[in-house]
Amino acid sequence: AQTVTQSQPEMSVQEAETVTLSCTYDTSESDYYLFWYKQPPSRQMILVIRQEAYKQQNATENRFSVNFQKAAKSFSLKISDSQLGDAAMYFCAYRSAWSSGDKLTFGTGTRLAVRP
Amino acid sequence: EAQVTQNPRYLITVTGKKLTVTCSQNMNHEYMSWYRQDPGLGLRQIYYSMNVEVTDKGDVPEGYKVSRKEKRNFPLILESPSPNQTSLYFCASSLSWGATTNEKLFFGSGTQLSVL
Repeated sequence: AQTVTQSQPEMSVQEAETVTLSCTYDTSESDYYLFWYKQPPSRQMILVIRQEAYKQQNATENRFSVNFQKAAKSFSLKISDSQLGDAAMYFCAYRSAWSSGDKLTFGTGTRLAVRP
Repeated sequence: EAQVTQNPRYLITVTGKKLTVTCSQNMNHEYMSWYRQDPGLGLRQIYYSMNVEVTDKGDVPEGYKVSRKEKRNFPLILESPSPNQTSLYFCASSLSWGATTNEKLFFGSGTQLSVL
């Protein structure tokens, strides 16, 4: 079974600075997808960024980018120019390319605080 | 507007009193699933459905039932709730499933359930 580990329960960043959230995963599969979801106080799950394992190029979405290290099974999220609205819980998630259904395996989350 | 609608948003009940959390999507999605979110555990899949009348267990199905009689609806049933089912519940859907899909998973806004 796959597992996803987020070792930082809480992080803090100064507004306009850069912060990196860590995520590691364990799998024996070669084809899979990785995701970062943001959960603000509204509880809504918002997809931040997605990475396909077969792509070597790191995904980017505006101020959000990932550092995907397939051999190390590491998938960190970098938030540049942090804004107050970035304050939220962030979840790393894994989806096998071959499992039945679209099951996501989530990490335990990192709560990000943004200091003004 | 494309969305997944869950009701109720908040629910307080007592041990043993049957309850149903409804989930409906307006995107003609084949795949639907339920997750529960607990502090320190992230989100874990309860049940999923790949189409009408096709359902299967996720990682934590004990104490829950589901049904998929119509494509748009996927209710979660707790026939005899217990305090350990106090949690935040999410319904999710996507257009399709399987190895070749890269479809986005849409989440509902969550149901906070407290079982006293």
